[in-house]
Amino acid sequence: NAGVTQTPKFRILKIGQSMTLQCAQDMNHNYMYWYRQDPGMGLKLIYYSVGAGITDKGEVPNGYNVSRSTTEDFPLRLELAAPSQTSVYFCASKSGTGPSGVDEQYFGPGTRLTVT
Amino acid sequence: GDSVTQMEGPVTLSEEAFLTINCTYTATGYPSLFWYVQYPGEGLQLLLKATKADDKGSNKGFEATYRKETTSFHLEKGSVQVSDSAVYFCALSGYNQGGKLIFGQGTELSVKP
Repeated sequence: NAGVTQTPKFRILKIGQSMTLQCAQDMNHNYMYWYRQDPGMGLKLIYYSVGAGITDKGEVPNGYNVSRSTTEDFPLRLELAAPSQTSVYFCASKSGTGPSGVDEQYFGPGTRLTVT
Repeated sequence: GDSVTQMEGPVTLSEEAFLTINCTYTATGYPSLFWYVQYPGEGLQLLLKATKADDKGSNKGFEATYRKETTSFHLEKGSVQVSDSAVYFCALSGYNQGGKLIFGQGTELSVKP
């Protein structure tokens, strides 16, 4: 199993450009998450999905969009990139059929994004 | 709201020293508690967890006990190695949090030979 994969690893965007961060998992997990990690801060949840076709906002969703057309893929779209979106983005997934919280989340290696 | 607070880093120790990283939490309900570790340039990986009060999680010589009375989940290791240098995140998750992880800010550990 590859686990959770993310592409690209690094990206530099100009202000106002758009891009899609790709995330895929091969563990047949229902739950998938997008986080951002800013220096000296913990991870903040951007969006999450409890299954194909179902997405919901997390703590910091502004400026982002997601879709979940398959169980495996959960892309994150940045529209009109801004310097405040400079961060490291992590995708994660977990198994489980309910929000019990006991299941481990598996993280991808991250995408380092710089907006200038 | 729900939150996790960790001791400030960076923490610098010599090899074989004793490690404690403090973590306290505020949460509704009965969440599970986690320690995740992030090695340089990598994503997070689960180090250990505890799902109910008085449970002790342990892995790779690290351990932490879920203390409901003090709302704490301190991470300890008796003898650290250079390879333990990483950022450590305390987190909680449960039904009241919709299964979402709430992270602390992370504590950077640097172990010198």
